[in-house]
Amino acid sequence: QKEVEQNSGPLSVPEGAIASLNCTYSDRGSQSFFWYRQYSGKSPELIMFIYSNGDKEDGRFTAQLNKASQYVSLLIRDSQPSDSATYLCAVNPTGGGNKLTFGTGTQLKVEL
Amino acid sequence: DTGVSQNPRHKITKRGQNVTFRCDPISEHNRLYWYRQTLGQGPEFLTYFQNEAQLEKSRLLSDRFSAERPKGSFSTLEIQRTEQGDSAMYLCASSLGPHAGELFFGEGSRLTVL
Repeated sequence: QKEVEQNSGPLSVPEGAIASLNCTYSDRGSQSFFWYRQYSGKSPELIMFIYSNGDKEDGRFTAQLNKASQYVSLLIRDSQPSDSATYLCAVNPTGGGNKLTFGTGTQLKVEL
Repeated sequence: DTGVSQNPRHKITKRGQNVTFRCDPISEHNRLYWYRQTLGQGPEFLTYFQNEAQLEKSRLLSDRFSAERPKGSFSTLEIQRTEQGDSAMYLCASSLGPHAGELFFGEGSRLTVL
């Protein structure tokens, strides 16, 4: 079992729709969770982080965390073509110190 | 430009040669990280510095890899006797905050080993 699993996609949504990106992790003791966006040929950039169960909203983005189910998701409301990118889920595992374990990413395509 | 700077951006080398990458973090950031990313994969942790001290190193990092951060400013990552499997994007990131995952990545140094 991979430490952080994501569906590679591509996930296609029409412009204006809600995109839902999902991630599961294997280390039950993980405490902090991050979503990075990576445009093709570019480096990752941090979008959101979440540490507590529940929802955290920032503009059009909502991160959701369910530690009991070891599941974290990212919702993008009113999706725009500029949101088309690969979204990487990252976890700071138990005893992981200062490292992040990344998933392989989900490619999102927002279609006009 | 106040972001993380990496040089060179591209490096093509022959198998067996040594290569060195440089990273200049955001100036006030005391934490510096090296990650490696291959096509279709997420970044993979290599090593971490807090100021000049190398505090963590991945088990994946063979003894051909060495990183330094003299004086707690810029960092270098050297790969000796390169192999084709070393071909990847080498990403440097820096952070200041208390949380390990709030990283600012540079644009990366792409290595191709022929």
